[in-house]
Amino acid sequence: AQSVAQPEDQVNVAEGNPLTVKCTYSVSGNPYLFWYVQYPNRGLQFLLKYITGDNLVKGSYGFEAEFNKSQTSFHLKKPSALVSDSALYFCAVRDMTGANNLFFGTGTRLTVIP
Amino acid sequence: ETGVTQTPRHLVMGMTNKKSLKCEQHLGHNAMYWYKQSAKKPLELMFVYNFKEQTENNSVPSRFSPECPNSSHLFLHLHTLQPEDSALYLCASTWGGRDRGYPEQFFGPGTRLTVL
Repeated sequence: AQSVAQPEDQVNVAEGNPLTVKCTYSVSGNPYLFWYVQYPNRGLQFLLKYITGDNLVKGSYGFEAEFNKSQTSFHLKKPSALVSDSALYFCAVRDMTGANNLFFGTGTRLTVIP
Repeated sequence: ETGVTQTPRHLVMGMTNKKSLKCEQHLGHNAMYWYKQSAKKPLELMFVYNFKEQTENNSVPSRFSPECPNSSHLFLHLHTLQPEDSALYLCASTWGGRDRGYPEQFFGPGTRLTVL
């Protein structure tokens, strides 16, 4: 069975500093990994995905994620955090057996402090 | 968020009521999903429809009844719910079928349900 884990419920970072939101995965075979963001009172918004190719994936709003096969990780990063980045972030892995179903982590709340 | 709409945005109901949640997508997708989002828990996949056919039911209690009359609309009928069913219910859509690669899902804003 495939799954993702987000080890941190909460991440705080000062505005302008780099941010990292962690995600590790467990799959048999090649993983297809996604990051989503959820702002208050909104649905999830797609940020980026890794399917194959370069280990560094660039996405929306200046976010990027680094796929690391040896560490089974897919951490979300941004070089300089904005207050408006404060939100709930979800990592997800594609179901290898189902038609584009996704398994989500528990989410990490990011707070960017002015 | 645009492209997938959900109504109502908020719903308060008693345990004996019957209500329905509605989802509509304007993206030409053919796969639609219902998720339940509760605090401190992963998103729970409830139902999946591909080309209007239900392809997955993740052991959801029968008090939740989905309906997909066409590829653009998805309903979740609710009856005799319990207080622990209070949550944010999210609808999502994407392109089904293995010939579309690995597309992301597009989510609606959700319906905040409170069961008294």
